[in-house]
Amino acid sequence: EADIYQTPRYLVIGTGKKITLECSQTMGHDKMYWYQQDPGMELHLIHYSYGVNSTEKGDLSSESTVSRIRTEHFPLTLESARPSHTSQYLCASSATGSTEAFFGQGTRLTVV
Amino acid sequence: KNQVEQSPQSLIILEGKNCTLQCNYTVSPFSNLRWYKQDTGRGPVSLTIMTFSENTKSNGRYTATLDADTKQSSLHITASQLSDSASYICVVSPMNTGFQKLVFGTGTRLLVSP
Repeated sequence: EADIYQTPRYLVIGTGKKITLECSQTMGHDKMYWYQQDPGMELHLIHYSYGVNSTEKGDLSSESTVSRIRTEHFPLTLESARPSHTSQYLCASSATGSTEAFFGQGTRLTVV
Repeated sequence: KNQVEQSPQSLIILEGKNCTLQCNYTVSPFSNLRWYKQDTGRGPVSLTIMTFSENTKSNGRYTATLDADTKQSSLHITASQLSDSASYICVVSPMNTGFQKLVFGTGTRLLVSP
């Protein structure tokens, strides 16, 4: 069982609101990732981090931002939510040198 | 065109039957190929990881095969159970890249019917 947690699991919010999706892992992994997945589509990497104070943008352009102040915590923020942000957001983590990564259960975001 | 193509897109089988899911990829060179199971509304869970030099890897009732020459992989599920209903995702890791460069397929949605 992977020790990586995402909250909330589901979120319905109005346009223009600021939201933060939480992701925490207790495995001590230095690498963490955020993916966006639309129904029936592949996962797209939107942000990743190799460690504290390290953040990079992924292949899919996103209006969200991330921070990595602590090893175990990698929150994703949308300053002003829009309906186009409606999607599932998945967080993952991996250890340096490992080929294995562990995913959280995801946050399904709906912006109305 | 996606570098990782999966077929069929969806599949319905009766409980207890076997099935095989296909993955064709163009990523080259690659270091490993993974199969993940993703339940509806959940995050993916790793089933198998094969390096480019491996031909087969099993995990219980799941057996993955890899043919690097034809750039094809398959996932065989034996004696299917209702809990096998999920999406199965093929993922390829390009050579000398990290996890941030994984190439994901769109998945095969499997429904096991009683």
